[in-house]
Amino acid sequence: AIQLTQSPSSLSASVGDRVTITCRASQGISSALAWYQQKPGKAPKLLIYDASSLESGVPSRFSGSGSGTDFTLTISSLQPEDFATYYCQQFNSYPHFGGGTKVEIK
Amino acid sequence: QVQLQESGPGLVKPSGTLSLTCAVSGGSISSSNWWSWVRQPPGKGLEWIGEIYHSGSTNYNPSLKSRVTISVDKSKNQFSLKLSSVTAADTAVYYCASWRVAPGDAFDIWGQGTMVTVSS
Repeated sequence: AIQLTQSPSSLSASVGDRVTITCRASQGISSALAWYQQKPGKAPKLLIYDASSLESGVPSRFSGSGSGTDFTLTISSLQPEDFATYYCQQFNSYPHFGGGTKVEIK
Repeated sequence: QVQLQESGPGLVKPSGTLSLTCAVSGGSISSSNWWSWVRQPPGKGLEWIGEIYHSGSTNYNPSLKSRVTISVDKSKNQFSLKLSSVTAADTAVYYCASWRVAPGDAFDIWGQGTMVTVSS
């Protein structure tokens, strides 16, 4: 099974900061990667698909990049509503999620 | 707008069978989407359980395959999960989700989730 390693597992940041989360696949997955945001007690929400395509309705401060084994999710200017846990997910083989990155208030 | 709603018992005894249903509203289960179950143990990450197409074709997570059955009822516009021989390790929030095939493969719609506890 293709494993996904997210880093960091958690981070502290301030409103307005630029935040970058990385996701590394154990083998190449082309662009078969999505990113999700999950707030406490809520279902995950799709942010990015195909590694870099912004889901409709998602603010443009979110962006994704990468292909092959290395991917990043960037929040250009962190907003109060962005404090959450973020998951990457590959679908090159059966769907599998990374371990998550919790973004906390500094 | 398609919406998903999970339902089923919140408490299951060890060695028993967990049974959940996901009702699809605002759209047809016979669309091009696949229909999945994903779970999340308390304080932990997300695990895909399996998926079904309206034709009845299924795919399962290899780690759970021996215990999982996913079925579809097109007449009721819903799909279901059965997980047998449960233990405390199966305690989790269970989500149903829609896997969008195009444009852009991803879980685009999620149910609100239902907590299932395995305990005697």
